[in-house]
Amino acid sequence: EIVLTQSPATLSLSPGEGATLSCRASQSVSGYLAWYQQKPGQAPRLLIYDASNRATGIPARFSGSGSGTDFTLTISSLEPEDFAVYYCQQRSDWPHTFGQGTKLEIK
Amino acid sequence: QLQLQESGPGLVRPSETLTLTCTVSGASISSSSYYWGWIRQPPGKGLEWIGSIYYSGSTYYNPSLKSRVTISVDTSKNQFSLKLSSVTAADTAVYYCARRPQWGAINYWGQGTLVTVSS
Repeated sequence: EIVLTQSPATLSLSPGEGATLSCRASQSVSGYLAWYQQKPGQAPRLLIYDASNRATGIPARFSGSGSGTDFTLTISSLEPEDFAVYYCQQRSDWPHTFGQGTKLEIK
Repeated sequence: QLQLQESGPGLVRPSETLTLTCTVSGASISSSSYYWGWIRQPPGKGLEWIGSIYYSGSTYYNPSLKSRVTISVDTSKNQFSLKLSSVTAADTAVYYCARRPQWGAINYWGQGTLVTVSS
């Protein structure tokens, strides 16, 4: 199965700063990678699909890039509501594995 | 507006079978080009993909659970279900049902339901 490794595990930043989250795949997933945001007690929410496409209603400060094995989620200027856990997921091959998550916390 | 709602027992005894149902409203579960699936999250941990069923009936399971998992659809009730047999404490988790378009990512999730495995 394809293993997704997210880094860093925890990212401590202040509102207004930019954030860069990484997801690396153990083999190529082409562009079939998604990013989700999860807040405590809530289901995940789709942010980005197919590496760089923002989902409906997602603010422009969220952007995704990458292909093959290396992917990045960028948040240009952090809002207070952006502090959460972020997961990547691939749909290139079964099983559709998730990364272990990056916790974005307020510094 | 599509909604998914999980239902089932919150407590299951070890060695028994966990059964959850996801009721879909706002869309037909028979609609072409969608996968319906299950994801779980142990308390304080990350997401684990369990499996999916395509609108055609094809199923796909996580190999780590494949021997114990069955996902099925009941089109007459617009529901799909998860059965996980021989459960242990390691199966304690919040279980989410979800929908994914054939060419895309999971864009609809249920609210999740906590299932605890304990005697």
